[in-house]
Amino acid sequence: DAKTTQPPSMDCAEGRAANLPCNHSTISGNEYVYWYRQIHSQGPQYIIHGLKNNETNEMASLIITEDRKSSTLILPHATLRDTAVYYCTRVADSGGGADGLTFGKGTHLIIQP
Amino acid sequence: DAGITQSPRHKVTETGTPVTLRCHQTENHRYMYWYRQDPGHGLRLIHYSYGVKDTDKGEVSDGYSVSRSKTEDFLLTLESATSSQTSVYFCAIRTDRGNTEAFFGQGTRLTVV
Repeated sequence: DAKTTQPPSMDCAEGRAANLPCNHSTISGNEYVYWYRQIHSQGPQYIIHGLKNNETNEMASLIITEDRKSSTLILPHATLRDTAVYYCTRVADSGGGADGLTFGKGTHLIIQP
Repeated sequence: DAGITQSPRHKVTETGTPVTLRCHQTENHRYMYWYRQDPGHGLRLIHYSYGVKDTDKGEVSDGYSVSRSKTEDFLLTLESATSSQTSVYFCAIRTDRGNTEAFFGQGTRLTVV
């Protein structure tokens, strides 16, 4: 997806924070940043989303730069079960469904024991 | 887990035969999507629907057709299957009530021989 750019792969040590970057320099004012992950061959799973403020839930934190051109997903204490492909995508407010929902190739995060 | 079921979960078919994959939801969500996933390509959108009888093409729609005659069912048809359509197919659903996440099915592994 040319709308977002992510590194193809990253490694992180177990117990450390995993920081996954995403570039979305052409994001519009009404587009949210969404993160999903896909573990092995399962269906993708929602993690978190945000518009311009930083967000935190039980799974992760999302840091969005002030200019909204990039964001970082943070897994505070990575475990082996966090090994997965992580997708960053943009979704327009309310109308996102009518425009389709597209994904890039994501980042393959490998947690090392 | 969101009420989304894909059937069949696995299918092997011969080149040139028609194949229909079904996505069934019990959430009454407006938006439904079909994706294919192949090594090195991530998730690619095939078709999506924004209501009964309202569908649109995604980025890789050639060779595929869809139908949505009821809110709960979104069918993906390969009119004449080819080996290049061997893939894992995922269905997703999303509500139009506010800015919310998509939920994915567990996938259908299709092999065309």
